[in-house]
Amino acid sequence: KAGVTQTPRYLIKTRGQQVTLSCSPISGHRSVSWYQQTPGQGLQFLFEYFSETQRNKGNFPGRFSGRQFSNSRSEMNVSTLELGDSALYLCASSSIVGNTGELFFGEGSRLTVL
Amino acid sequence: SQQGEEDPQALSIQEGENATMNCSYKTSINNLQWYRQNSGRGLVHLILIRSNEREKHSGRLRVTLDTSKKSSSLLITASRAADTASYFCATSRARSNDYKLSFGAGTTVTVRA
Repeated sequence: KAGVTQTPRYLIKTRGQQVTLSCSPISGHRSVSWYQQTPGQGLQFLFEYFSETQRNKGNFPGRFSGRQFSNSRSEMNVSTLELGDSALYLCASSSIVGNTGELFFGEGSRLTVL
Repeated sequence: SQQGEEDPQALSIQEGENATMNCSYKTSINNLQWYRQNSGRGLVHLILIRSNEREKHSGRLRVTLDTSKKSSSLLITASRAADTASYFCATSRARSNDYKLSFGAGTTVTVRA
């Protein structure tokens, strides 16, 4: 069974640009969550999607958005990038909504904003 | 703010020794999970312990949970170089519509050969 796949693995952007990250969950998993990891703030929850609906959202500005497609694949978008958006963005899938069970994480997308 | 806090922040041990790390949290939980992260990689689930459980084992891992003290511990026995990683506890809040895992800051474990 293939694991969670995130693309791209690494990317460099400049301030003001936007970025789209992609996540393909484990086959059969309908819940996809996104987390941001930085040295200063640690792992912070961004949002969770289940069956194409956003179920929960963390305390991030509206520049951070996401969506989920009918095949459960998810994308997250960050617009008007700031230096502080440099982070490892982790996607996790689960068979259970609400992050109450085991999460399966991808390897992450490392974003550097210059 | 983070729900869980790990202690110590960093731990260095000799191969073959045991490693113990602790996690404290603030609110009532449904369950508590431990994850491992190798440098710059994704997180790997280690073990989940429910709020009505007190101890759980998985291979060389032993997790305890004390809900009265709002704390958990992770013990890795007979450590190996491959156990070098950061370890995070994560909690799922009870009786809440706050559907997310809250992660602690992590304990960085270095196993010396």
